[in-house]
Amino acid sequence: IAGITQAPTSQILAAGRRMTLRCTQDMRHNAMYWYRQDLGLGLRLIHYSNTAGTTGKGEVPDGYSVSRANTDDFPLTLASAVPSQTSVYFCASSPGQGPNQPQHFGDGTRLSIL
Amino acid sequence: GENVEQHPSTLSVQEGDSAVIKCTYSDSASNYFPWYKQELGKGPQLIIDIRSNVGEKKDQRIAVTLNKTAKHFSLHITETQPEDSAVYFCAASRGSSASKIIFGSGTRLSIRP
Repeated sequence: IAGITQAPTSQILAAGRRMTLRCTQDMRHNAMYWYRQDLGLGLRLIHYSNTAGTTGKGEVPDGYSVSRANTDDFPLTLASAVPSQTSVYFCASSPGQGPNQPQHFGDGTRLSIL
Repeated sequence: GENVEQHPSTLSVQEGDSAVIKCTYSDSASNYFPWYKQELGKGPQLIIDIRSNVGEKKDQRIAVTLNKTAKHFSLHITETQPEDSAVYFCAASRGSSASKIIFGSGTRLSIRP
């Protein structure tokens, strides 16, 4: 079934460790996004990519980095994890560039930083 | 920057009744307003969207209305069913590649049998 695959589904990580969350889509969508979801705050955009080779900062980019080497993959890296990064992380994609179109979401990665 | 407020945060309705969720936005240049449904343990899924050149859009039991003057939009679900129980998110964005979509904080809808 076409869609977005996120890995891992959950992870417990010690503070200070480096972690990469993986996201792969098979829909050939141009734009991809990373969000974090915290209780009572909804979804907040971390980073986005309008097309392969480009990335941009969202609402809460500090402590995170992304890369977009090809159309399908959009990994999110926490260089040195801190407890405030405990959250559920969602990757999403949309067909064209820019956010003015429906986004397709993965099922998330639940990350706990101890 | 853009701010989106969503109300209520929780909503409980009797099966068969209607449910209404409201959102207000701050950026008058916003022109795309999607609604997402999120079931437990899953990612959000688009259920309906509306663009600023349209005042209302319907899809079976779901409808969205937009008031650009007042800068608010609403989700209406009629004849609610148990499978409508979920968290619903509204969002607003404007259409340049450098702009971002802002989500509301969500409404947890429960349908009472």
